Amino acid sequence: TQLLKQSPQFLSIQEGENLTVYCNSSSVFSSLQWYRQEPGEGPVLLVTVVTGGEVKKLKRLTFQFGDARKDSSLHITAAQTGDTGLYLCAGINNAGNMLTFGGGTRLMVKP
Amino acid sequence: EAGVTQFPSHSVIEKGQTVTLRCDPISGHDNLYWYRRVMGKEIKFLLHFVKESKQDESGMPNNRFLAERTGGTYSTLKVQPAELEDSGVYFCASSQLTGYTDTQYFGPGTRLTVL
Repeated sequence: TQLLKQSPQFLSIQEGENLTVYCNSSSVFSSLQWYRQEPGEGPVLLVTVVTGGEVKKLKRLTFQFGDARKDSSLHITAAQTGDTGLYLCAGINNAGNMLTFGGGTRLMVKP
Repeated sequence: EAGVTQFPSHSVIEKGQTVTLRCDPISGHDNLYWYRRVMGKEIKFLLHFVKESKQDESGMPNNRFLAERTGGTYSTLKVQPAELEDSGVYFCASSQLTGYTDTQYFGPGTRLTVL
């Protein structure tokens, strides 16, 4: 049973389109992180959201943490081919030592 | 500054054999973590070291897995004897601090295939 459910699992879009990836949980986490993983590499942290309702922007990426701190979304504006990759959300426990990952969303942006 | 390194990058062994994975954390990082992703599943936490001490090993699947971090520097994860279901990618991560806003830096992973 996945504690963190990501949707969609796969997404294929054209360059220039917008997209949103969702990360939903029945549990409350102290904070939630989004990672991006390239083939043959480990996950690389993009952002950490801590406060319910928090919105963070990283260039064309917008991250939102739900008011109840159970769900989050990642929105990409005007996707580029360089955005292709596996996007992972991960919840962090109170002790701050354990990441609970979602199953990931594999994004392909076609030229 | 060098990142987290893992060795080997790939390992193919037969069921019943022993394999030892190694992780070298970022220099100065007291916290070291092991995670793994088995086929079709999400990345799952295995254990957490603070220096040489096991802080949390709640994710270790069974007693065929033994993790060590002698001297508080690099860590090894031994699987003995390996079973088919142990196949997957084993990630190591390290962090300077432990907290819900701190960053864990991941290595590239070791892909283990058990035949």
